[in-house]
Amino acid sequence: AQSVAQPEDQVNVAEGNPLTVKCTYSVSGNPYLFWYVQYPNRGLQFLLKYITGDNLVKGSYGFEAEFNKSQTSFHLKKPSALVSDSALYFCAVRLPGNTPLVFGKGTRLSVIA
Amino acid sequence: DAGVIQSPRHEVTEMGQEVTLRCKPISGHDYLFWYRQTMMRGLELLIYFNNNVPIDDSGMPEDRFSAKMPNASFSTLKIQPSEPRDSAVYFCASSLLGVYEQYFGPGTRLTVT
Repeated sequence: AQSVAQPEDQVNVAEGNPLTVKCTYSVSGNPYLFWYVQYPNRGLQFLLKYITGDNLVKGSYGFEAEFNKSQTSFHLKKPSALVSDSALYFCAVRLPGNTPLVFGKGTRLSVIA
Repeated sequence: DAGVIQSPRHEVTEMGQEVTLRCKPISGHDYLFWYRQTMMRGLELLIYFNNNVPIDDSGMPEDRFSAKMPNASFSTLKIQPSEPRDSAVYFCASSLLGVYEQYFGPGTRLTVT
C-alpha cells in the first residue's frame, strides 16, 4: 500500500527566507510524486511533479522539489518565501498507470511579513 | 480552457435528505476521480472512473453513497439519505492517460444539519 507522511502540520517562515515543506513516502515500485497547493475555499492546484530523470524538479511560482530515493523523500522548497505563498500544501504519490493519488495530511504554510 | 466544473459550490441540507453533487471534467479527459476532504481524515478517494466505467469504488463509505458517469462530460455523486457526518468538501478531479497530474475542481462544501 502507498502512503505519504507530511510530518509538520504547520510551517512558519519569514518573508524572504527560504522555505521547506517536508514529505516522505512509502510505496513499492517507482513512484510518481506530486505537490499541490490549496488556497482558502479553492480546489487543489498542481505545483510540480517527479516522474523520472533529474532529481530536482522545478514547478510553478518558483517552487522546486528534490526527489531522494534513498531517503524516500520529496521535500518542497523555495529560495525566498512570499506572503502570498501562505496556503495548505499537499504531497501526493501514485504508481505508474493512471492510478489514484494518495495524499498526505497537508502542511499549512504561513509566511509572515 | 474551462477547468473542472462542480456544482453546487455550497449545499446545506437536513439529515435524511438526498444530495446530488455534479461534476463536468475537462473536455477530452478520460479519467474522473471523486475525493472527500475533512479535517479528521484529510483527502480521501471515494471512486474513480475510466472512460465512464467505475474502476474502483472501495473508498465509497457506505451504500448511501453512489456515483454515476452517464457520459464523458458529466458525473454525479449522490448521498441518500444524508447524515451530519457526511459534512465535508467534495472534490472532483480529471486527468488524461499519459498526463501524470490530475486537475481539481473548486469543490462542493456540503453541510448536513
